[in-house]
Amino acid sequence: DTGVSQDPRHKITKRGQNVTFRCDPISEHNRLYWYRQTLGQGPEFLTYFQNEAQLEKSRLLSDRFSAERPKGSFSTLEIQRTEQGDSAMYLCASSLASSGRAIEQFFGPGTRLTVL
Amino acid sequence: AQKVTQAQTEISVVEKEDVTLDCVYETRDTTYYLFWYKQPPSGELVFLIRRNSFDEQNEISGRYSWNFQKSTSSFNFTITASQVVDSAVYFCALLNFGNEKLTFGTGTRLTIIP
Repeated sequence: DTGVSQDPRHKITKRGQNVTFRCDPISEHNRLYWYRQTLGQGPEFLTYFQNEAQLEKSRLLSDRFSAERPKGSFSTLEIQRTEQGDSAMYLCASSLASSGRAIEQFFGPGTRLTVL
Repeated sequence: AQKVTQAQTEISVVEKEDVTLDCVYETRDTTYYLFWYKQPPSGELVFLIRRNSFDEQNEISGRYSWNFQKSTSSFNFTITASQVVDSAVYFCALLNFGNEKLTFGTGTRLTIIP
């Protein structure tokens, strides 16, 4: 039984560099979510996909952020021209939607990004 | 707009004591879901429970119990006979019907002292 996996677990980068994170959801799950968690705070919603369609984006997702789920399976989150304020834990979650409703979201271990 | 408040930032108790984590929520919707997640030091959020707004029955699962009261917009979580493995940050979260984004509180860091 495999849960949600994320790669890498840790990323250290210099300001201005681009980074890309990957998320593999639970295999039968059709919805995939990205959240960001800063120190001492709860996770904040960034975006979510239903299969390959990106259905909602938070205002937190600036133009430097882009997320894809090209085949409706794994997803990537790219941050261009990273800034120190991007340092955070990036969490991926997945869920199974039925009858249009998806309830429990199951989270991966996160990718901790540090921008120097 | 929705909001979740966890007023207790940190709690420390001695092992085997009972502890209650408070959660107060705000929402204009009549249909919604409430959750508790556990985040151990490894960082992964572990789903503990979901409760929908139509079901005010309290629930018990082993040493864990949850008290949902719509009248006070609260969804409190009690750990009975705490153990060191219970040490973690606990988050309460809200999901409005028709909405796909969880709104989390700021979490309560629970430390169980051996």
